[in-house]
Amino acid sequence: DIQMTQSPSSLSASVGDRVTITCRTSQDISNYLNWYQQRPGKAPDLLIFGTSFLQSGVPSRFTGSASGTDFTLTIRNLQPEDFATYYCQQTYISPPTFGQGTKLEIK
Amino acid sequence: EEQLVESGGGLVQPGGSLRLSCAASGFTVTTNYMNWVRQAPGKGLEWVSVIQSGGSTYYADSVKGRFTISRDNSKNTLYLQMNSLRAEDTAVYYCARAMSTGVLPYNYWGQGTLVTVSS
Repeated sequence: DIQMTQSPSSLSASVGDRVTITCRTSQDISNYLNWYQQRPGKAPDLLIFGTSFLQSGVPSRFTGSASGTDFTLTIRNLQPEDFATYYCQQTYISPPTFGQGTKLEIK
Repeated sequence: EEQLVESGGGLVQPGGSLRLSCAASGFTVTTNYMNWVRQAPGKGLEWVSVIQSGGSTYYADSVKGRFTISRDNSKNTLYLQMNSLRAEDTAVYYCARAMSTGVLPYNYWGQGTLVTVSS
């Protein structure tokens, strides 16, 4: 199985800040990397797919990028509703695997 | 509007069985890759199973031989039959639809149904 190493596991930031979450894969997955946001008690929501494509309705302050097997989710100008847990997922090779999550908390 | 609604969760003893349902509206389950994903309490997301539009099915090693994914075209509903349940199967189970093209991300999720395996 492809291993997903997501970092950091938790992060404290303030409204208006810029934060970066990284996901490293154990092998090449082309651009088959997706990012999800999960608020407490809710189902995950798709934010970004195919490394850098913004899902419809997601604010443009969310961006995704990659360098080799390192994938990055960047959130600019943090808003109160952005404080949640974020997961990366690869869908290149079955089984699809998720990162362990990054909990973004208000400082 | 596309929607997924799960049901069927509950408390079951170790070794027992449970069948989860996921009723879809706004789209047809047979024309999409439909997945089950679970989340143990306080833990991350774990993919469980998929049924592809052509009917092929795949499972995580942790549930292979115990869980069966299926769908009912007439009811537009996805199912997960879970047998020989273990304590480590305790989780919220989500059904999720994969986008029809490209990298197949999961763009629609149900609200989840809690399965608790305990004596």
